[in-house]
Amino acid sequence: ETGVTQTPRHLVMGMTNKKSLKCEQHLGHNAMYWYKQSAKKPLELMFVYNFKEQTENNSVPSRFSPECPNSSHLFLHLHTLQPEDSALYLCASSQENRGHYGYTFGSGTRLTVV
Amino acid sequence: QKEVEQNSGPLSVPEGAIASLNCTYSDRGSQSFFWYRQYSGKSPELIMFIYSNGDKEDGRFTAQLNKASQYVSLLIRDSQPSDSATYLCAVSQAGTALIFGKGTTLSVSS
Repeated sequence: ETGVTQTPRHLVMGMTNKKSLKCEQHLGHNAMYWYKQSAKKPLELMFVYNFKEQTENNSVPSRFSPECPNSSHLFLHLHTLQPEDSALYLCASSQENRGHYGYTFGSGTRLTVV
Repeated sequence: QKEVEQNSGPLSVPEGAIASLNCTYSDRGSQSFFWYRQYSGKSPELIMFIYSNGDKEDGRFTAQLNKASQYVSLLIRDSQPSDSATYLCAVSQAGTALIFGKGTTLSVSS
């Protein structure tokens, strides 16, 4: 596997469910990110991890809980979501947390909350 | 609030023409500038980055940066139908994550 891999590709969940999104990067990068992409809106930064330490939480509701066990893996745990949380969730990685060389994105998880 | 502004389009150009995509940003401290291409249903793909004022060319793509005007643009020469996509502008300041614009949808007709 190369690049940034996200699973699952599609997820439908009820508002009372608990689910997790997974991201794995095979690029040797040190920083990983979660972004949310909704229709007609810019990509919204959610969380930043640098060397598995969280360095930024962009005022994300607590129903989204990130976990970064090491520099290659990133999870987003979801619970009691709302329909407005339906979106494409993108994971990205970069060589360092300043983004100087840009990010590599995974294919995303299309989340639908019903 | 740091913002990146793009005209959402759609920008329509005939095949073979030059497509010009524009982006303005609010944070004067921004140091790195990126253009991503996103096909429908796919994730963003980095196509160009620029750090210094002036032009940077890579094949059919030219990125232009004017920090005094807080303006960055992307020119696509000899546009092809396969260039039809949404183009995202992103900027960052040292030590901060990328901030993205909403994107401009480009349609190249054959």
